[in-house]
Amino acid sequence: DGGITQSPKYLFRKEGQNVTLSCEQNLNHDAMYWYRQDPGQGLRLIYYSQIVNDFQKGDIAEGYSVSREKKESFPLTVTSAQKNPTAFYLCASSQGVTTNTGELFFGEGSRLTVL
Amino acid sequence: GENVEQHPSTLSVQEGDSAVIKCTYSDSASNYFPWYKQELGKRPQLIIDIRSNVGEKKDQRIAVTLNKTAKHFSLHITETQPEDSAVYFCAARGSGYSTLTFGKGTMLLVSP
Repeated sequence: DGGITQSPKYLFRKEGQNVTLSCEQNLNHDAMYWYRQDPGQGLRLIYYSQIVNDFQKGDIAEGYSVSREKKESFPLTVTSAQKNPTAFYLCASSQGVTTNTGELFFGEGSRLTVL
Repeated sequence: GENVEQHPSTLSVQEGDSAVIKCTYSDSASNYFPWYKQELGKRPQLIIDIRSNVGEKKDQRIAVTLNKTAKHFSLHITETQPEDSAVYFCAARGSGYSTLTFGKGTMLLVSP
């Protein structure tokens, strides 16, 4: 079954702890993205990666970190420096910069709650 | 960078009515404008998109129009059905490689 898999679906964290959200895709897409979704705020870009071992900050990168060691994987770490981490996090992928299609394929999301 | 404004934030219609959601963008170089639908508890999915060399695109009951001069684009849904109830996001992407900038979303509620 092709697609994007995010885990965990729900996550609870105490203040001051780092947490890592997993995102794996088997679509052979070059580009991967992390978005944060808050009610009434739309989808805001945290980080994106166009190719393995390279990534760029999005609009709200502060307090987050990523890695792209494999084409299939793009984990997101929410650090203790993120002031308001409680949110719904969406991972997405697309074919990449050299194709005309811009379609994003999203995972089912991870809901992080900081207690 | 690109800025996308989306209106209205909520829209309630009766089944069978038409629904229109409007978006404006700031970067005149933007050339790709997709619309995503997110049903409650599910992932966003692309429903239709339009590129800057086209003024209108239709797919069954949905259509998108683009006015490059005014820098706005709209989603039109005709003969709405309860299953059209969802949050709809517009987005825009500039020329070259740049990421999508999303609007804040419109919650559409279709009442039977």
